[in-house]
Amino acid sequence: GEDVEQSLFLSVREGDSSVINCTYTDSSSTYLYWYKQEPGAGLQLLTYIFSNMDMKQDQRLTVLLNKKDKHLSLRIADTQTGDSAIYFCAESSPSNTGKLIFGQGTTLQVKP
Amino acid sequence: NAGVTQTPKFQVLKTGQSMTLQCAQDMNHNSMYWYRQDPGMGLRLIYYSASEGTTDKGEVPNGYNVSRLNKREFSLRLESAAPSQTSVYFCASSEGTGGTGELFFGEGSRLTVL
Repeated sequence: GEDVEQSLFLSVREGDSSVINCTYTDSSSTYLYWYKQEPGAGLQLLTYIFSNMDMKQDQRLTVLLNKKDKHLSLRIADTQTGDSAIYFCAESSPSNTGKLIFGQGTTLQVKP
Repeated sequence: NAGVTQTPKFQVLKTGQSMTLQCAQDMNHNSMYWYRQDPGMGLRLIYYSASEGTTDKGEVPNGYNVSRLNKREFSLRLESAAPSQTSVYFCASSEGTGGTGELFFGEGSRLTVL
């Protein structure tokens, strides 16, 4: 079945790099996504990667996709206190209904 | 620039009471979704509507009903609330099939069932 797994918590120092990892089960997913949720708010799309890509870079964000191991990672360079949030990995459903399957979310704590 | 609007933002119910969560989007999206968020469990899909006039069950539909009133609106009803339905509920919308699959979320509705 479809399943997305993430570790629940990551703590880093301001200025360090953060790496959030995710594993997924469905190799037929077309897109994989990273969403950010700030306290008391809904989720907002950070970035996404098409399944035929290995890497995508967008300013401080780098997404790496290892299709063989079904592993997705999000690297945030020069992490700031404003990056403290919950980060969700998600994959598109193979049934092509537009629905997404989300991981449990990783809480990123950035210490000054 | 409203996007996805949910009401109410907060609600406290007693066990057995009923209520409806309302959701509207102004982006002319085809698909709409209701998720619930619980600590350590991420977001779980309750129901979705791939297009106007259709609704389908998600991962955790028991105890809920939905109505896709028109293209803009998708409501979630709890007929007889239970403490296990205490959660944060998110409505979302997307273009549907053929797009990048990006979901646009509302701010959430925090429901407590006593």
